[in-house]
Amino acid sequence: DQQVKQNSPSLSVQEGRISILNCDYTNSMFDYFLWYKKYPAEGPTFLISISSIKDKNEDGRFTVFLNKSAKHLSLHIVPSQPGDSAVYFCAASARGFKTIFGAGTRLFVKA
Amino acid sequence: GAGVSQSPSNKVTEKGKDVELRCDPISGHTALYWYRQSLGQGLEFLIYFQGNSAPDKSGLPSDRFSAERTGGSVSTLTIQRTQQEDSAVYLCASSFFLRARTNTGELFFGEGSRLTVL
Repeated sequence: DQQVKQNSPSLSVQEGRISILNCDYTNSMFDYFLWYKKYPAEGPTFLISISSIKDKNEDGRFTVFLNKSAKHLSLHIVPSQPGDSAVYFCAASARGFKTIFGAGTRLFVKA
Repeated sequence: GAGVSQSPSNKVTEKGKDVELRCDPISGHTALYWYRQSLGQGLEFLIYFQGNSAPDKSGLPSDRFSAERTGGSVSTLTIQRTQQEDSAVYLCASSFFLRARTNTGELFFGEGSRLTVL
């Protein structure tokens, strides 16, 4: 039972353009959503998060949008840079309970 | 160091042998997680420790897998009678307790222990 789904295994964008990574969840108890970035041979690192009481959170080039009625969130990266090439994981949690991760989306940013 | 430390970084073992993987979380973090990432797959939840509460073991794939956390700090993941399908990167993460109002729930990951079962 996949509670957090990232249906696109990979995404390729041109440098300078927008990257949009999508994530869907099924558990309505989730109240915190996070995005992590992972480079090969390293552990995932936190990128940005959003609480369920918000619908948008922005941090520099990164913006996360949350649509609770659709149980959908997305990560926008603009402008995309070659150094953004990595695997991006969507994660969700309910306070006090375990964090569940999606399968990840591999982003390629072409120079 | 100040981050999550895992050892060994690489482990090659023969099928049927037992292995132990160690995780030193960030000091003060009350929550500790084990995940694994098989080749080409996402992060699979294994087990979650939170303070003195009973651990959430719902992700352990079989009874060959066990984990303990001593003194609320260091954790050891043990895999008995290893099988080839156990080959993966085992990732440990720690965080503050999620109920804290100011806590973002961010997990801090170690670099992982790569297990290869021949």
